Amino acid sequence: GAVVSQHPSRVICKSGTSVKIECRSLDFQATTMFWYRQFPKQSLMLMATSNEGSKATYEQGVEKDKFLINHASLTLSTLTVTSAHPEDSSFYICSANDLAGGQETQYFGPGTRLLVL
Amino acid sequence: KNEVEQSPQNLTAQEGEFITINCSYSVGISALHWLQQHPGGGIVSLFMLSSGKKKHGRLIATINIQEKHSSLHITASHPRDSAVYICAAPPTSGTYKYIFGTGTRLKVLA
Repeated sequence: GAVVSQHPSRVICKSGTSVKIECRSLDFQATTMFWYRQFPKQSLMLMATSNEGSKATYEQGVEKDKFLINHASLTLSTLTVTSAHPEDSSFYICSANDLAGGQETQYFGPGTRLLVL
Repeated sequence: KNEVEQSPQNLTAQEGEFITINCSYSVGISALHWLQQHPGGGIVSLFMLSSGKKKHGRLIATINIQEKHSSLHITASHPRDSAVYICAAPPTSGTYKYIFGTGTRLKVLA
């Protein structure tokens, strides 16, 4: 099946620094990718929809200047957490839509665990 | 009330037991997605089904679109099945994003 990768898998950074997380679709092209955030024992919360070649669409309450999204190619979307603070510590998951065969299927990445000290 | 509800929220079973996780939804969808999230966090897609039943190994998923209900069954459960199982309603023309159930945390004891 289709594979979505994320890098890094975990990152520890100091407060005030910026962290970039990459999401790649490895064997298919994805015009749309999604970024989620998950707190412990809670459900995934959609942060933004990343559209190739255009601006991302952010969910209500998500600061677009804080969480910068770039979808520069059909296989890569990046999420940059700018000036990270301890409250940004969370598990970030991306997913990508595969439209092969006329059926839309969403595949999830393995996630990136961010810890801001 | 969530648009996608799962039950039970937590489930502990002995190895070998037959397990059923239920999912009811109120949104209008044509297919339902079952996902598995392991303790490490990664999410694996188990099934996307729009009718009837699908089987993969020891996992069986059924759906009744008219009744807006789906079940995930695990036969001969094993400790490695311990994970959070999530049902989710994929985006439709009316909703552009996934609607996730709250998840069922399964622990299978050896």
